Amino acid sequence: GNSVTQMEGPVTLSEEAFLTINCTYTATGYPSLFWYVQYPGEGLQLLLKATKADDKGSNKGFEATYRKETTSFHLEKGSVQVSDSAVYFCALRGETSGSRLTFGEGTQLTVNP
Amino acid sequence: GAGVSQSPSNKVTEKGKDVELRCDPISGHTALYWYRQSLGQGLEFLIYFQGNSAPDKSGLPSDRFSAERTGGSVSTLTIQRTQQEDSAVYLCASSRPNTGELFFGEGSRLTVL
Repeated sequence: GNSVTQMEGPVTLSEEAFLTINCTYTATGYPSLFWYVQYPGEGLQLLLKATKADDKGSNKGFEATYRKETTSFHLEKGSVQVSDSAVYFCALRGETSGSRLTFGEGTQLTVNP
Repeated sequence: GAGVSQSPSNKVTEKGKDVELRCDPISGHTALYWYRQSLGQGLEFLIYFQGNSAPDKSGLPSDRFSAERTGGSVSTLTIQRTQQEDSAVYLCASSRPNTGELFFGEGSRLTVL
C-alpha cells in the first residue's frame, strides 16, 4: 500500500537558518505529492504540490522537488522566519487512490528569534 | 460558510458513551473526508464521501464507527460505545473531486475518560 515517511521531529532552528524536512514515499506508479502545513490553532492547509516527476512545487519561499528516482519530496526553505513555526505534513495521492490522501506523521518546526 | 466548520471543538465523554461529531464542508465541495490525528501519529484516513455516497470507508477502525452525509453537505461521524483509545482529534476536510487540495476544519478533540 501507499505510505509516507517524514524525518522525525521536532526541529528547532534560529531565524534565517536553512530548513530541510525530509520526506520519502512508497507507492506504485506516479502519485501526486503534497506538503500541508498546520499553524497553531488552525486547520491544515495546502502549502505546495507536484503532480509529476521532476516537478518543483513552491509557495511562500518553500520548495520541494518530486524525485522519482529516490522516491522523495523534501521540503526546503532558504531562510526561515518565526512565523514559519508550525507542523508540516508530507502527503501523497496514489494513481488508484481516488481523492484519498496518505499523510506522513508530521514534523514540528519551531523557529526562534 | 467560508471554511470547513466542525463541532464540537472539544468533547469529553465517559467510556461506553456514544458521541456524534459534525462537519459542515465548504459550499460546493462534493468530496468530504474524515481523518483522525492521535498524539504522536500522522493523519489516519477514516472515510471518504463523494456526494452522499461513501466509495471508500476502508479506514473505519471498527464497526463502532459510522458516518453519514445528507444532502451532499453536512456529515456526521458517530462513535458508539467509546473506548479510551478513541481519544484523538477528528479532522474533517472537503474538496472538489480529484484535486488533492483538501480544505481542513480545525478538528474536534475527543477525550474519552
